[in-house]
Amino acid sequence: SYVLTQPPSVSVAPGKTARITCGGNNIRSKSVHWYQQKPGQAPVLVIYYDSDRPSRIPERFSGSNSGNTATLTISRVEAGDEADYYCQVWDSSSDHYVFGTGTKVTVL
Amino acid sequence: QLQLQESGPGLVKPSETLSLTCSVSGDSISSSTYSWGWVRQPPGKGLEWIGSIHYSGSTYYNPSLKSRVTISVDTPKNQFSLELSSVTAADTAVYFCASRVFSGPHAFDIWGQGTMIIVSS
Repeated sequence: SYVLTQPPSVSVAPGKTARITCGGNNIRSKSVHWYQQKPGQAPVLVIYYDSDRPSRIPERFSGSNSGNTATLTISRVEAGDEADYYCQVWDSSSDHYVFGTGTKVTVL
Repeated sequence: QLQLQESGPGLVKPSETLSLTCSVSGDSISSSTYSWGWVRQPPGKGLEWIGSIHYSGSTYYNPSLKSRVTISVDTPKNQFSLELSSVTAADTAVYFCASRVFSGPHAFDIWGQGTMIIVSS
């Protein structure tokens, strides 16, 4: 089955840029979606189709997908961005949703 | 606006069947607009997709759970349900119901708040 690998944690100072990677075999051939999950809350979709943002999500959130790695970038990081982030794809070869292992973003 | 709300027993005994319901408001569950799914999250761990059901009735299950999972729709009640049989402590988790726009990305854009299920005798 398809596997998505994320770093367990990323630390970033306020105002700086956080980059969260999501690795998968030839992931560029798939559409990658990203979720933000704060403690005790349901996940929130922040990026879909690699780089599109729902209207309610700030422009500071952006995404890219190339080769074997997709990346979620959070610019001008704020304290409120501290959360767990998950990438996700649809594996069309098996008709399955696959979530990444998750990355905890800590704002220093 | 579409809203989802899970309901369940909270506590289930080992070897029994877990039954959860997701109530849908804001649109009809039989609408061709949406696909419905279940995702779970064990304490302190990541998200795991359990399965999904389309408005057509087609179901898709995580292969690791497929032998124990049934997802169905109750159109008159505007709900969809999850049944997970032969539960063990490893099934202890927060269970979320979620939806996606069928013509859109394979991503869940609406989620319920989640319900905690503990498997214990």
